[in-house]
This record gives sequence, structure tokens and C-alpha cells, in this order.
Amino acid sequence: QKEVEQNSGPLSVPEGAIASLNCTYSDRGSQSFFWYRQYSGKSPELIMSIYSNGDKEDGRFTAQLNKASQYVSLLIRDSQPSDSATYLCAVTQGGSEKLVFGKGTKLTVNP
Amino acid sequence: DGGITQSPKYLFRKEGQNVTLSCEQNLNHDAMYWYRQDPGQGLRLIYYSQIVNDFQKGDIAEGYSVSREKKESFPLTVTSAQKNPTAFYLCASRRGAFDEQFFGPGTRLTVL
Repeated sequence: QKEVEQNSGPLSVPEGAIASLNCTYSDRGSQSFFWYRQYSGKSPELIMSIYSNGDKEDGRFTAQLNKASQYVSLLIRDSQPSDSATYLCAVTQGGSEKLVFGKGTKLTVNP
Repeated sequence: DGGITQSPKYLFRKEGQNVTLSCEQNLNHDAMYWYRQDPGQGLRLIYYSQIVNDFQKGDIAEGYSVSREKKESFPLTVTSAQKNPTAFYLCASRRGAFDEQFFGPGTRLTVL
């Protein structure tokens, strides 16, 4: 069974700080990596996708991928209370159409 | 206005009943998926379909059935054989194997 592991948290940061969310995966054949944000009681919302090693920036969000270490992370700069949510890491299972999800990290940004 | 719709938003089932959850997309995506989410748990794959008239079991298919007669629609039936069906059910779709997967708003099913 291919696995995706995330820090379970909860992670608490003050408003304006950088939040760092981490994810490791076991399948070396994985080629697509995604971060979703899920507010309580709502469905997951895609916030970042990354396909190659290195950094990808979109506004306050930066995704980092290191395939050699099987590690993907999400940095949220200038964290806002509205960023408080559970963040799900998802990785394409090599050779299939399936995504494998981590259990998520709950982030709380304190005003 | 493209997107994925799920209905109903809330559903209540009595013991021994089958219920069907609707999922429709107008994104022209080939692949569609059904997930189940329990409190404090990640998403678990129930069934997925890559093309019309074809679907595959996911990790927890027992007690569920699906059909894919149209590209736009992928309904999920929760049968009486599913002993613990109370959960949040999420439908998703994606264009291709490496593309982003987008979710509908979900259906919350409760067994009375």
C-alpha cells in the first residue's frame, strides 16, 4: 500500500508568520503532487500543484518538491486567520489514475 | 459556469435501505472518483472511472456500487451491505492521469 504521511498537528502559528507543512510519500513512481485546503465541513479545494523538483510559488503559497528525498512541502507566508484549515497532501500513485491522500495537518493561525 | 455538483447535500438513511448519491460534472473530464471521509481521517477511495462504461474498485468498495453511463455522471449507490455508511462522501473529477483533481461540495450521509 502506497503511503503519504503528514505531520498530524495541530500546527499553530501567529498571524503574519510563515506556516510550514510537510509531507513524505513512499511511491518513487509518483509524478504529480498536490496540496488541498479543507475548511471544516467543506470539500477539499486545490491550492497548489507541483510536478518537478524545486519550488513553485503562487501568491503567499510556495510548494517545494524533492523527489530524491520523497518529500513535498507547503509554505504559507504572511499567514492569515482565514488560512486556518486542514491541509491535505495528495500524490499520484505511479502507473495509475489514483491519488493517495495524507490524513491532513490542521493549521490554526492566531490573530 | 463549469464545476461539479453533488446532491443531495444531506441524506438520511434507515437501516436496510439503499440510497443513491448523485454526481454531475460539466468540465468535460474523463475520470471521475468517489471518496469517503470519516472524522479525523483522510480520504479513502471507493470507486473510480476513467471512461464511460468502465470503472474500477478502490480501497473500500465493499457495500457500494457505481455506474458510468454518461461522461458527465457518476452516481454512487450505498447498499444495505455497507454496515457503517455514516460519512462525508466526496465526488471528484480530473481531465487526465497527471492533472489536478477537483472536488464537488460533498454529501453528508447519516444512518438513522
